[in-house]
Amino acid sequence: QVQLVQSGAEVKKPGASVKVSCKASGYTFSDYYMHWVRQAPGQGLECMGWINPKSGGTNYAQKFQGRVTMTRDTSISTVYMELSRLRSDDTAVYYCARENDYYAFWGQGTLVTVSS
Amino acid sequence: DIVMTQSPDSLAVSLGERATINCKSSQSVFYSSNNKNYFAWFQQKPGQPPRLLIYWASTRESGVPDRFSGSGSGTDFTLTISNMQAEDVAVYYCQQYYYTPRTFGQGTKVEIK
Repeated sequence: QVQLVQSGAEVKKPGASVKVSCKASGYTFSDYYMHWVRQAPGQGLECMGWINPKSGGTNYAQKFQGRVTMTRDTSISTVYMELSRLRSDDTAVYYCARENDYYAFWGQGTLVTVSS
Repeated sequence: DIVMTQSPDSLAVSLGERATINCKSSQSVFYSSNNKNYFAWFQQKPGQPPRLLIYWASTRESGVPDRFSGSGSGTDFTLTISNMQAEDVAVYYCQQYYYTPRTFGQGTKVEIK
């Protein structure tokens, strides 16, 4: 069965960077794009961008360009999302979601708290 | 970015009754070449990731009870929960996946009256 397992919660100071991982299993890793979606506390869902695990190609939402980097390690079927120059309003739960056009599978989420 | 606007923001429904949630896209998400609407509905309960309910506007995901149904095309879509159950209390989101970036509605909170 498809599983997406994310890394644990993080607490970071403003200006720092965070790197969240998402390990995929139960399917051929390179066959499906992986997206990242975040959700601030009590707020809605926001797409940050995606990575093509086969080629490593990426597409980032304009809001995050220059601050976000998505990478992958095909040897361990894992994608990463790194967000730099963190601000307090980056406090959110970050999800990976596998695309087959729509988002049928989601990771459990990783809470990133940005606080001084 | 494409704006997805849901209505209402919240609603309370009696057990066994019908709940209707609407979603309007600022641009059409219908692709005529394959006759598909690139539109989905999700359910989210506290502390959980979103769960896909409906994709292609009206196709129910495997395992989703048949009391959930989706309809609409182009820019206007509806999620209907017939025969509301206690376990359906959640926030529901619409999403378009036609344009980049993909965008969600603001969410509709559904409670029991």
